[in-house]
Amino acid sequence: DADVTQTPRNRITKTGKRIMLECSQTKGHDRMYWYRQDPGLGLRLIYYSFDVKDINKGEISDGYSVSRQAQAKFSLSLESAIPNQTALYFCATSDSGAGVYGYTFGSGTRLTVV
Amino acid sequence: AQSVTQLGSHVSVSEGALVLLRCNYSSSVPPYLFWYVQYPNQGLQLLLKYTSAATLVKGINGFEAEFKKSETSFHLTKPSAHMSDAAEYFCAVSEGQAGTALIFGKGTTLSVSS
Repeated sequence: DADVTQTPRNRITKTGKRIMLECSQTKGHDRMYWYRQDPGLGLRLIYYSFDVKDINKGEISDGYSVSRQAQAKFSLSLESAIPNQTALYFCATSDSGAGVYGYTFGSGTRLTVV
Repeated sequence: AQSVTQLGSHVSVSEGALVLLRCNYSSSVPPYLFWYVQYPNQGLQLLLKYTSAATLVKGINGFEAEFKKSETSFHLTKPSAHMSDAAEYFCAVSEGQAGTALIFGKGTTLSVSS
């Protein structure tokens, strides 16, 4: 089993629908992150969480919300999806020494909003 | 605030040629630097990292990078390209060991021709 699992792998949804992307990890890491990847823009940080009670906005949090249900689970929600939220979404984890060890990434969720 | 600039969104080389992917960073504190690789339809995989030890860092698959403080650079090189190196490469920076989150560059796509 993968260390960081994202579900679903692919999703097509309609404008205005609410959708949740899920991430679970078996690394035992405290820190979890959500990024989105767009062609030519690299990865941009949406939200991050250092533990269950610590959730922080990233660079592009508007239109998104998150829930840290447990140390191992971190979900990203689009309350009312819009087409410009079409992107590849990555969940990542790290221990407290993220600057030293870097991240472990999930395989990504490709979301298309039509 | 830290930032990363990857020079060249697309680099093309012939098989056996030198690979050079450029990364410049900005950071208010001594940085920790990373290179990640993304193969088609996959997540990101750590290639190598600089964490204030040796300035020349060796990674997987024959890649290496040199940290040059005076030039604020962390360029990625490989002496001889292989077809399997074709992928997208991301440079990332963290502000020190306890950095909040990694900041990624916009990526460089490497193409390798036979």
